[in-house]
Order: sequence, then C-alpha cells, then structure tokens
Amino acid sequence: DIQMTQSPSSLSASVGDRVTITCRASQGISHYLAWYQQKPGKVPKLLIYAASTLQSGVPSRFSGSGSGTEFTLTISSLQPEDVATYYCQKYDTVPVTFGGGTKVEIK
Amino acid sequence: EVQLVESGGGLVQPGGSLKLSCAASGFTFSGSAVHWVRQASGKGLEWVGRIMSKANSYATAYAASVKGRFIISRDDSENTASLQMNSLTTEDTAVYYCTRFHPEMAFAYWGQGTLVTVSS
Repeated sequence: DIQMTQSPSSLSASVGDRVTITCRASQGISHYLAWYQQKPGKVPKLLIYAASTLQSGVPSRFSGSGSGTEFTLTISSLQPEDVATYYCQKYDTVPVTFGGGTKVEIK
Repeated sequence: EVQLVESGGGLVQPGGSLKLSCAASGFTFSGSAVHWVRQASGKGLEWVGRIMSKANSYATAYAASVKGRFIISRDDSENTASLQMNSLTTEDTAVYYCTRFHPEMAFAYWGQGTLVTVSS
C-alpha cells in the first residue's frame, strides 16, 4: 500500500507568514492528492483537490502544487483562523490513505 | 444542499457489534460511492472502507485493520449506507464519518460524525 508522509508534524508561525506543508507519497499517485483542514472539534473540510484545484469558497491564500510523489500546501499569509490540523490524502485507488497531519499554530 | 447524517454510535463492550447508518440527501445517492473514515480522539484520520455504486457492482473495499470484521452496505431506495461493525475492540473507539466520494474531488462532503466507544 502507498504511504503518505507529511512534514512537519507541527509548526508555529506568525500572522502574515508564508507556511508550507509537504506531503510525500511512497509511489506515484499522479494528481490524486487532496488537502483537508480540520479545526478542533470540527469535521474535516476539503481545501484542495487534484493537487492544485482550490475548492469553492476556500480563501485564495491557500494553494497546492505537485504531482507524482511530492506535494505541497502553501498558506501565503497565515491568518488566526487558519489554526488547525492539515491532512493530505491520496485517493487514486483504495486503500485511500491520509498523511499523519500537520498542526499549525500561531506564534 | 448535500447532507450526510450518521447515526447509531454509542457504547459497546469489547467483542460486541454495532451498526452505523448514514442518511444522504441533496445529491444522486445511487450514483455515488460512499466511504467511511474514522478518527480516534487526538489522532489522525483513518480510512475505514467504501462501497461503490450499482454501476460499479456495489464493490466494497476495507482497510486492513477492519477487514473481515466490518461490512459496508447500502440501500439506494432509502438513500442510506451502513457500516456493520463486529468483533469490536478498544482500538475501534473513534468518531466515524461517512463521506461522499467524487473521483476528482475526493471527499468534498462529510457527515457530522458519530462516536463509537468500545469499553467494558
């Protein structure tokens, strides 16, 4: 099965900072990579699908890139409401696999 | 508006069984694959399994951790999907979510989740 490795597992940054989260697949998954945001006590929310397509309603400060095995989620200017845990997910085939998550906090 | 509503969670003893339901509305349920995802308290997201549409022969697939113990089914006439969980262990304690799968958009829609607690 394909493993998804996310890094870092946590980060602390200041408001306005550019934040980058990396997700690495153990085998190529083309563009079948999604990113989710989960705030404490809330349901995961789809941010980006197909590696780089912004889900409707998601602020444009979020962006995704990559293909094959290396992917990134970037928050161009971190806002207080972005405090959450972020998960990558590969969905080309089953088993669907999530990364371990990246907890983002404000410094 | 797409809605997914899980029910059936609760407290069950180790070795017991529980059946979760997912009621769907706001989209063509019969044409959609449904996946189940779980999350233990303070832990990450774990895929549990999925059932595809009639057009895809209602094919099911499961995570290794639940294969042989969990069964996913669906009733397109009732717009519901179910997760039958057997031989439960404390490791199965989690919030269980049902999600609607789109081949390009992955899991754009999630239910609110239902808590399953396996404890004596």
